[in-house]
Amino acid sequence: SQTIHQWPATLVQPVGSPLSLECTVEGTSNPNLYWYRQAAGRGLQLLFYSVGIGQISSEVPQNLSASRPQDRQFILSSKKLLLSDSGFYLCAWSVRPGKTEAFFGQGTRLTVV
Amino acid sequence: QQQVKQSPQSLIVQKGGISIINCAYENTAFDYFPWYQQFPGKGPALLIAIRPDVSEKKEGRFTISFNKSAKQFSLHIMDSQPGDSATYFCAAGDYKLSFGAGTTVTVRA
Repeated sequence: SQTIHQWPATLVQPVGSPLSLECTVEGTSNPNLYWYRQAAGRGLQLLFYSVGIGQISSEVPQNLSASRPQDRQFILSSKKLLLSDSGFYLCAWSVRPGKTEAFFGQGTRLTVV
Repeated sequence: QQQVKQSPQSLIVQKGGISIINCAYENTAFDYFPWYQQFPGKGPALLIAIRPDVSEKKEGRFTISFNKSAKQFSLHIMDSQPGDSATYFCAAGDYKLSFGAGTTVTVRA
């Protein structure tokens, strides 16, 4: 069966520090991969999605970037965190082609102080 | 711009009652409409989904009703239980999903 791992679960970082969140998927090949952010009491905002190694599409211009160095690895990064980067970050995957059922990881609660 | 609008923001229902959450979408190219359930501190979990070639889909106590001409769909939770207390998100899309803002459901025993 397919599983998705996302870490760390919680993170407190000072303003201006770098960020690296990692997500890996097991049990499937060539998945679509997604990074979402969920602000408190709000819906999910799609940040990045990837259909293959090295292929990244950005949905919202911001202080973050994403990379996909391996087929089942997706990384969310920032060089310098802002207070507004605080939130709940979720990685998700879906099967290609055509289907769009997205399966989510357990999320990372990021607090920038 | 918000492509999926969800209401209400929150609702309270008695145990055994019916919870109804409504969503509306704009993009007629959307062809997949899932609902997700999220508990505090956890990632959303796929609950039930529908495609526009059917008007209703039922799985256990959860039913999706879909109105293609009105570009609306809804989730009905029958016989609501305290364990159903969670935040529910509708979504719509094709190769990527747009999510509603979420509805917090509280089921009182």
